[in-house]
Amino acid sequence: GGIITQTPKFLIGQEGQKLTLKCQQNFNHDTMYWYRQDSGKGLRLIYYSITENDLQKGDLSEGYDASREKKSSFSLTVTSAQKNEMAVFLCASSMVGGREQYFGPGTRLTVL
Amino acid sequence: GDSVTQTEGLVTLTKGLPVMLNCTYQTTYSPFLFWYVQHLNEAPKLLLKSSTDNKRTEHQGFYATLHKSSSSFHLQKSSVQLSDSALYFCALSGGSNYKLTFGKGTLLTVTP
Repeated sequence: GGIITQTPKFLIGQEGQKLTLKCQQNFNHDTMYWYRQDSGKGLRLIYYSITENDLQKGDLSEGYDASREKKSSFSLTVTSAQKNEMAVFLCASSMVGGREQYFGPGTRLTVL
Repeated sequence: GDSVTQTEGLVTLTKGLPVMLNCTYQTTYSPFLFWYVQHLNEAPKLLLKSSTDNKRTEHQGFYATLHKSSSSFHLQKSSVQLSDSALYFCALSGGSNYKLTFGKGTLLTVTP
């Protein structure tokens, strides 16, 4: 088995601030994902990285950047936080070519 | 593109009653379907998965059958427990091995 760790668990920022969320996995999975979870809207894909040197935009990439520092870690940056933004950001990983994804516990973002 | 529809946003049931959560999908590719369960403040966890037509898959008392003729993968349980209270997501892997398309989720609340 393995585990996905997301830091921080709670993130409070100011409007216009640049904020970074971090994700680590010890599954030894090649592929990693960032999702945004809003109430009543399901999970929406922001960025994913198929292998260590890859980066792909998802359906909701505008306003975000991502970085795959190494196989086990994947960071997400909110480039300019929007006031009243409140969502949970979920990191996930999978084997390359594997459709089953494993999720972390999330980072809850609040922008004041 | 791919899409997933979960018609119930909120389901409230008394302990011991049966439940069925609806999931229908659209894809032009051969589908892989998943049910994920997310308890409050926890990571989504895989509950069931299937790519085989008309074969029932079961786990932890929950079961579902993929019906390609009706594009459905409904989640059922014969007797819900208080611990089943959670958010349930149906997800589809269609044209891409790397992308899951999620439904909006159904919040199941079980009362004593």
